[in-house]
Amino acid sequence: SQQGEEDPQALSIQEGENATMNCSYKTSINNLQWYRQNSGRGLVHLILIRSNEREKHSGRLRVTLDTSKKSSSLLITASRAADTASYFCATNMDTGRRALTFGSGTRLQVQP
Amino acid sequence: DAGVIQSPRHEVTEMGQEVTLRCKPISGHNSLFWYRQTMMRGLELLIYFNNNVPIDDSGMPEDRFSAKMPNASFSTLKIQPSEPRDSAVYFCASSFTGYSPLHFGNGTRLTVT
Repeated sequence: SQQGEEDPQALSIQEGENATMNCSYKTSINNLQWYRQNSGRGLVHLILIRSNEREKHSGRLRVTLDTSKKSSSLLITASRAADTASYFCATNMDTGRRALTFGSGTRLQVQP
Repeated sequence: DAGVIQSPRHEVTEMGQEVTLRCKPISGHNSLFWYRQTMMRGLELLIYFNNNVPIDDSGMPEDRFSAKMPNASFSTLKIQPSEPRDSAVYFCASSFTGYSPLHFGNGTRLTVT
C-alpha cells in the first residue's frame, strides 16, 4: 500500500506561475523526500525534510512539513517549461521498514 | 561518478521465459533497492539490501521473483517464469544508508507478451 498520496494528480500552469503540490501520509516518519521524474527516466532526488523540521528551501523549491496533519507541500516558484515532470513524495517510516514508500505522484505541465 | 547503471534498458520476452535484470549501484553506497513502476500500482518496493544482505523482501510478488546481491557492486532481479502481468519498468536505486536520498538508475522497461 502507498504511504503517501499526492494532490492534485495533475497540474497545468503557465511559465512563471508557482506550482504547489501536496502530499499526505499515514504513519509516523523519520523523513520525507520529494523526487522528480522526467518521462522515460529514473527518479531524481530534490529535497529531504526531517520530521523535526518544518520548512526547507532549495533554489526555487520550498518544502513544508506538518507532522500533526501528516502532510507536506512542495512549492516550485517561477516555474519553467523544463519543470514539466512528475513529482513524487516519499516517506521513510520512523520504525520498521527502512525503505522509501512512494506516493502516486503529481504530473506537472508547464506551458511556455 | 556514472550513477546507478541498469541493464538492459529494454527487454521484450515471451511468457514463460526467464528474465534477468542487472544493476550496478554507486560505489560506496551500502543500500540497494529494487522498485517496480506501473500505471496502475505506481512505484512499489520489491526488495532492499543493506551491506549485500536482503533486509525486506515482503514486496516480492511471488516465488517467481528472486533477487541476489553477490557483492557490493552488483545485483540481479530474476523472474522465472515471466508472465504478461510482470510488464513494468523496473528500477534499481542505491543510497549511502537506508535513510539517505536514493539515486535511481534509468530503469529496465520489461514487456512480456
